[in-house]
Formats: sequence, C-alpha cells, structure tokens
Amino acid sequence: EAGVAQSPRYKIIEKRQSVAFWCNPISGHATLYWYQQILGQGPKLLIQFQNNGVVDDSQLPKDRFSAERLKGVDSTLKIQPAKLEDSAVYLCASSLVGGPQETQYFGPGTRLLVL
Amino acid sequence: AQKITQTQPGMFVQEKEAVTLDCTYDTSDQSYGLFWYKQPSSGEMIFLIYQGSYDEQNATEGRYSLNFQKARKSANLVISASQLGDSAMYFCAMRELNSGYSTLTFGKGTMLLVSP
Repeated sequence: EAGVAQSPRYKIIEKRQSVAFWCNPISGHATLYWYQQILGQGPKLLIQFQNNGVVDDSQLPKDRFSAERLKGVDSTLKIQPAKLEDSAVYLCASSLVGGPQETQYFGPGTRLLVL
Repeated sequence: AQKITQTQPGMFVQEKEAVTLDCTYDTSDQSYGLFWYKQPSSGEMIFLIYQGSYDEQNATEGRYSLNFQKARKSANLVISASQLGDSAMYFCAMRELNSGYSTLTFGKGTMLLVSP
C-alpha cells in the first residue's frame, strides 16, 4: 500500500514570495491533515479536512495560509506572502475516517526555508 | 497549560539496553487516546503505539510498550533491547474528542541516541 506522498521535499524562497505544497493521501482515507513543525517542536495542526470539507482550521493563519482539497483526494497548502517565521517542515497526514482511535499516517514532509 | 509534556530533551542509551521516555498529559476529557511517534532524520513521523483511556492493560507492540498510569496522567514509552536504528526523535501525542472530531496534540519530543 502506498503511503502519503508530498512534494516538493525541499523549498527555499525569499520572504514575501508565495509557495505551494502538494499532498496525496493514502487511497481511501477520508481525513487529511496539514501540520507545521518548527525546528525543536512537535507538529502543530494547521487544518483538517474530512473529504473535501474543512473540519478544523482554527490554527491556520488565514491572512496568509490557504488550503484546499478538491474532490476529497489531493490537497494543496499555500502560503502567500511568506514570512521568515514560516520556515518549518510541513507535514501531511491522513487517516481512514478521522476517528479518535485511528492512527494518522504521515508523509515525508516538505522542508521550507524562507530567507 | 501544556497538554503534552516531555521533560527529557535528550536521552542516551547503549545498544541492547532498555530505555524509558517520559510523557505526561493534561486533559479533563474522560475519553482520549495517547500515541507515540518516531521521527528519524528523514522527517517522516512513524506510528509506534496507541493507548486508549479506557484500556485496562498497557499497550505493547514488539519492543515498544506503553506504561500507562491514568491517575498520574503519564504515558511513558519503554523501548526494550535498544538498537542503533532507534536513534531518532520521539513524540508523545494525545487525541481528545472535540465537537465530534479529534485533534492530535504533540509534545516537544525527546531525542534518543543509541550508542554501540
């Protein structure tokens, strides 16, 4: 079974530029998550989708971050404009239906460096 | 207040020895789940073990076991017979039910280094 795919793996941009990340979850997984992991910290949830609807985006900085999950499969996360403090690893995860006992399966992440 | 606290920034252990990574949590929910993930230098989060709040027995998965002490709100990970490949960051996480959907909250992690 293929795991969660993410691209690109690395991205370097200058502040005020825009950037987009892509995630393809495990086939059949209805729930998709985007996390931000700043160096030295644990991942922090940015947004959670159930199929193509947003379940939780309370920690998403909506003035600069946006995410979509068209057709309930792939998802993109965009930052526009980027700030220095956005330098982090962006992790995508998926789970079957989002239940409390479910395991979330993570992709390899995208390492973003904002200069 | 921190929901998940991992007080050990780093731990060292010799190969083949056992090691315990500490995790305490804070919740007022009765129903919750506790998870441990491993993050090697490649960056991917690898699920290790799960403990439900109503589970009476401690969870075990191969060389991993979870020492769950509900009254103390602790969920320590025990790795037996450490291997060099166990060197990685380890994160404790908790899921609480929130409006019917569950949010996973992570601690800051513990770096484990296994020496030959």
